[in-house]
Order: sequence, then structure tokens, then C-alpha cells
Amino acid sequence: KNQVEQSPQSLIILEGKNCTLQCNYTVSPFSNLRWYKQDTGRGPVSLTIMTFSENTKSNGRYTATLDADTKQSSLHITASQLSDSASYICVVSDRGSTLGRLYFGRGTQLTVWP
Amino acid sequence: EADIYQTPRYLVIGTGKKITLECSQTMGHDKMYWYQQDPGMELHLIHYSYGVNSTEKGDLSSESTVSRIRTEHFPLTLESARPSHTSQYLCASSETGEGDYGNQPQHFGDGTRLSIL
Repeated sequence: KNQVEQSPQSLIILEGKNCTLQCNYTVSPFSNLRWYKQDTGRGPVSLTIMTFSENTKSNGRYTATLDADTKQSSLHITASQLSDSASYICVVSDRGSTLGRLYFGRGTQLTVWP
Repeated sequence: EADIYQTPRYLVIGTGKKITLECSQTMGHDKMYWYQQDPGMELHLIHYSYGVNSTEKGDLSSESTVSRIRTEHFPLTLESARPSHTSQYLCASSETGEGDYGNQPQHFGDGTRLSIL
């Protein structure tokens, strides 16, 4: 069964600290993995996308890594800010059909305290 | 700044009412989607469209229906609302890219939070 599991479910850190969010997936055949940020009361916004051949991708203070062999990804946030408080969702796409489909994780709820 | 708009943002309504959730995008995207999201849970695809007059049901069984008469507009309708329909509904769109639709980012609206009493 194709699944996407994220950990931790929630995380509280102090402003300025770093943190790492995890995503494990069983989706096969794999096409790409994307991290979204969802602010409270808003829709998700894409942060990064990685294909099979990419193992790291940065977007400002956000750095995503991908290990396609172990089917794991991480999202590292550097020097956290209050505005980083949000849910971070891991989404994996397969290429098992001509149309493909998306598998969503349940997200990690990050809270940054001053 | 959002290029995909959902209205209303919040709706509280009684059981049995007919509801239409509106979704419009100004990006000219062919592909549009409706998702259902409950707190702490993953997004579930309930409907999608690849273009005008093309609609398909998603993975999650839903009593709602959709239409795609114009590229920019993808409304979702509940003929008779029930308390089990209480949820957040997210609309999204994406470009038609090479390969599967997962290669193109989905642009989401800010959602409609629906409560059925």
C-alpha cells in the first residue's frame, strides 16, 4: 500500500533554532517528492520538489534532502523565525499510471516560540 | 498573492440545504482539483478535472458533484448537506506538464471551512 508517513506529528522550537522534519514513503514507482508549507487558515504552498536523481534542494532557509534508496526525505529549517510556524506536508507523486497521482502525509505542525 | 480564489471562506448551514462552493483561478490552468482536509489528517482528493467538460471522481468517496464549463471555474455542489460533510474543502490548480500531474506544483486556494449543523 502506498503511504507517506511524517514525523514528528508536532514540534515546538525557540526562535533562531534549527529543526529537521522527517518523511518516509512507500510509494512506488516513485516520480517526485514535494514539501508544502500550510499556514493556519491558508492553502498549502510548494517549498521544494525533488526527483529521483536529486538528493538535496534548497529554498532560502529550507533545505530538503532525499534518499531514494531508503525512501526517506527530510526538511531542515535553519535559524527559525516566528513566520515558520505552520504545518509542513510531504507529498509524493508516483508514475505508476499514465496520469500519476499524489500521496499526502498528515503533516508536521511546527510552532516557533519567541 | 493568490491567483486561485475560493468562496465563501466560512459557511455554517443547516442539514438538508443545497451548497455550492466556488473556486476560480486566473492562471489559465487546465487541471483543477478539490480536496477534503480534516484537522491533523492528510488531504483527500474528491474530484479533479483535466479541462473544460472533463471531470472525474477522486479517491475519497464523496456525495458532492462538480462541473467545469469554463477553464477558470470549478464549483463543487452538495445537493443535501449532512453533518458528516463538515470539513475544510481546498481547491487547487496546476499546469499541464510533461508526464504525470505530480511534476507540476499545485496552487491551492485558502479553502472553505464548512460546518453543517
